Amino acid sequence: GAVVSQHPSRVICKSGTSVKIECRSLDFQATTMFWYRQFPKQSLMLMATSNEGSKATYEQGVEKDKFLINHASLTLSTLTVTSAHPEDSSFYICSASTETEAFFGQGTRLTVV
Amino acid sequence: KQEVTQIPAALSVPEGENLVLNCSFTDSAIYNLQWFRQDPGKGLTSLLLIQSSQREQTSGRLNASLDKSSGRSTLYIAASQPGDSATYLCAVGFDSWGKLQFGAGTQVVVTP
Repeated sequence: GAVVSQHPSRVICKSGTSVKIECRSLDFQATTMFWYRQFPKQSLMLMATSNEGSKATYEQGVEKDKFLINHASLTLSTLTVTSAHPEDSSFYICSASTETEAFFGQGTRLTVV
Repeated sequence: KQEVTQIPAALSVPEGENLVLNCSFTDSAIYNLQWFRQDPGKGLTSLLLIQSSQREQTSGRLNASLDKSSGRSTLYIAASQPGDSATYLCAVGFDSWGKLQFGAGTQVVVTP
């Protein structure tokens, strides 16, 4: 199947700093990618839809100024958590789709201290 | 609004038993349905994908059925093994772009 690579897999940052997470589709082009968030023992919740060459579409309740999404090319989307706080600590995971199936990155465990 | 529910939330079986995991959704206008496996602290592994026009998919010991009219999908895992212990997530696809809505998952423990 297709491969989606997410980096870093784990990051610890200080409160108030920003963290960038990269999501790459390695062997296919993706005009649309998705960012999900997962709190401990909960399911994945869609945060936003990342659109190549245009603004991201955010789900209700997700702060667009805190979670900046850039989809600069057909193979790369980035999520930047700005001015991170401990409550932003979570598991973030991206996905990209071929014509038929969604493939997921390995996820990023963010811990804000 | 689409809601995806998975029952049971947790399941513990002895090795060798068959597993039956259920997923229900409220809006039958789905594009596809995927079953994933998630190990603790890890990402998602896609197990089976069923297009909306299909009734079931099989891969090895895994079989997933889809009944759109009743809003249900069932994942069967035959002859369970301790290595099958994980959380299994059901996700409903809205469109061809890959937007998914997930259920809360079923946590499975297979004891030796």
